[in-house]
Amino acid sequence: NAGVMQNPRHLVRRRGQEARLRCSPMKGHSHVYWYRQLPEEGLKFMVYLQKENIIDESGMPKERFSAEFPKEGPSILRIQQVVRGDSAAYFCASSPRAGINEQFFGPGTRLTVL
Amino acid sequence: EDQVTQSPEALRLQEGESSSLNCSYTVSGLRGLFWYRQDPGKGPEFLFTLYSAGEEKEKERLKATLTKKESFLHITAPKPEDSATYLCAVQTNSGNTPLVFGKGTRLSVIA
Repeated sequence: NAGVMQNPRHLVRRRGQEARLRCSPMKGHSHVYWYRQLPEEGLKFMVYLQKENIIDESGMPKERFSAEFPKEGPSILRIQQVVRGDSAAYFCASSPRAGINEQFFGPGTRLTVL
Repeated sequence: EDQVTQSPEALRLQEGESSSLNCSYTVSGLRGLFWYRQDPGKGPEFLFTLYSAGEEKEKERLKATLTKKESFLHITAPKPEDSATYLCAVQTNSGNTPLVFGKGTRLSVIA
């Protein structure tokens, strides 16, 4: 059973470009969470999605950031007009259901903004 | 505001030297406390879930315990391969189910 998959693993963008990060949850999991990890900081929650629905986006910046989890295909975290402060590791996690439940993490996408 | 504090920030042990990592939390209501291990350049790897005070879980050289205010991750006779960052996270009664993480403890085990 494949784990959570994320691609690309490394992404380099220049300021002002767009970044698209993809996440395929574990088989049978329909809940996806995105977290951001800055150097020397803990993991910070960004957004929680189920298929075709955003459940909680309280941790996601209001501007430039968006997320989706379509009926078919991976979840996508999109960052428009990237700035240097967006450089971080972005992790996706999945769980089979909401509630008290372990979240299983992917390997992350390391975004570098030049 | 829900908070998770881990101590120490970094810990260096000799192989075989047992110790404990601490995770203290202040939350509106605890639904679950999670321990993860993270190796450099990788995603967090799930270790344990604890739900109520007094609960204990074990896996190889690791044992996690939970009280009403904190959790401990005990490492017995560690080996160099136990070197990693150990993350503590809580899931609370309020809102939906995102995890609130501490900053982690960087453990180095020297042969």
